[in-house]
Amino acid sequence: AQSVTQLGSHVSVSEGALVLLRCNYSSSVPPYLFWYVQYPNQGLQLLLKYTTGATLVKGINGFEAEFKKSETSFHLTKPSAHMSDAAEYFCAVSVTGGGNKLTFGTGTQLKVEL
Amino acid sequence: DAGVTQSPTHLIKTRGQQVTLRCSPKSGHDTVSWYQQALGQGPQFIFQYYEEEERQRGNFPDRFSGHQFPNYSSELNVNALLLGDSALYLCASSLGMGNSNQPQHFGDGTRLSIL
Repeated sequence: AQSVTQLGSHVSVSEGALVLLRCNYSSSVPPYLFWYVQYPNQGLQLLLKYTTGATLVKGINGFEAEFKKSETSFHLTKPSAHMSDAAEYFCAVSVTGGGNKLTFGTGTQLKVEL
Repeated sequence: DAGVTQSPTHLIKTRGQQVTLRCSPKSGHDTVSWYQQALGQGPQFIFQYYEEEERQRGNFPDRFSGHQFPNYSSELNVNALLLGDSALYLCASSLGMGNSNQPQHFGDGTRLSIL
């Protein structure tokens, strides 16, 4: 079975500062990895995904993530935080043969301060 | 292009009652999955429907059941409600059950509160 660990349930950054949200996964087969964002009282919106190929993945709103197999990590970054980035972020994994069932981490609440 | 729509948005029930939640998938999608998101937690997979059959199931009791209709829409039914069933229930759709690399598109969820 696969799992996801998100280090840091709450992260606070200043506007304009680097955003780094950590995600580590566990999977016995090659994973597919996703980052979703959830704004208050809304569903999940896909930020980016890694399936195969290039390990540096660019997503919407200036976010990107790098798949590092040796570190079993898929950390999410953004060079410069904006107030509108304040939300909850979820890392998720699926695997081939898993019928695209997603296994989520517990989430990281991002706060952006002036 | 209509996304995933869920109804109702909010629901209040008492213990022991039964509830039905509804979901219409994104246009062109044929697979529907349901997730439960408790407060402060990540979504937990309940089950997945494809071709009107339950194809995968997470670690949820039989009180949780579902259905998929020929138009791909889906229902989630929960019987004998417990306080612990209070959560946001999310519906997600995708194209093709076997395509694990395809992202799922989520609705805004139904907030279920049990008194």
